[in-house]
Amino acid sequence: QVQLVESGGGVVQPGRSLRLSCAASGFTFSNYAMHWVRQAPGRGLEYLALISYDVDDKSYADSVKGRFTISRDNSKNTLNLQMRSLRSEDTAIYYCVRDSAVTTAGGYFDLWGRGTLVTVSS
Amino acid sequence: DIQMTQSPSSVSASVGDRVTITCRASQGISTWLAWYQQKPGKAPKLLISAASSLESGVPSRFNGRGSGTDFTLTISSLQPEDFAIYYCQQAYSFPFTFGPGTKVDIK
Repeated sequence: QVQLVESGGGVVQPGRSLRLSCAASGFTFSNYAMHWVRQAPGRGLEYLALISYDVDDKSYADSVKGRFTISRDNSKNTLNLQMRSLRSEDTAIYYCVRDSAVTTAGGYFDLWGRGTLVTVSS
Repeated sequence: DIQMTQSPSSVSASVGDRVTITCRASQGISTWLAWYQQKPGKAPKLLISAASSLESGVPSRFNGRGSGTDFTLTISSLQPEDFAIYYCQQAYSFPFTFGPGTKVDIK
């Protein structure tokens, strides 16, 4: 079925790195822009990053710019988020999200994974 | 960045009640607005895009209106499955920011 499944979360010490992955299935992954959104425990949603369907365009929220890198492998239907210099405030559930538009970034998020929890703690 | 605000932050209501949530953008976003519903322990679900376009499978009791800076989400007759947190989100410009959420709980 149509789904996104995140993996790679866990407990990591401040200052360390972690790589999240998202496996897409049930749809033509290479046709869609993809995003990462996170949610700190008990808090609201925070938008993080966008990658275009063809990998040409990547954009980041200021809160993670320079520390996080979004990437994708359309041959493997996989989205990634490389996170460096992690801080306690990066503790959150990280969601892999599909853009609702085909071959563009419309900015609406119609398919969400279940999320993976990242805890930054010593 | 465009800032999104929502009011109220929470509302207590009964089954059958009409509930209206307001979302305001810090600058005009035309109709580039979405509404999401999130239930405990679950990922958000897209309800409405383009301010008023209901997603497939979303009950017609959900209604979105507005343009520019002011938007509303109305649930015409609250059902037990509607108790959740509702977020607005602007899709006008990057980064695509969310409102802080409105919790709809049982009176």
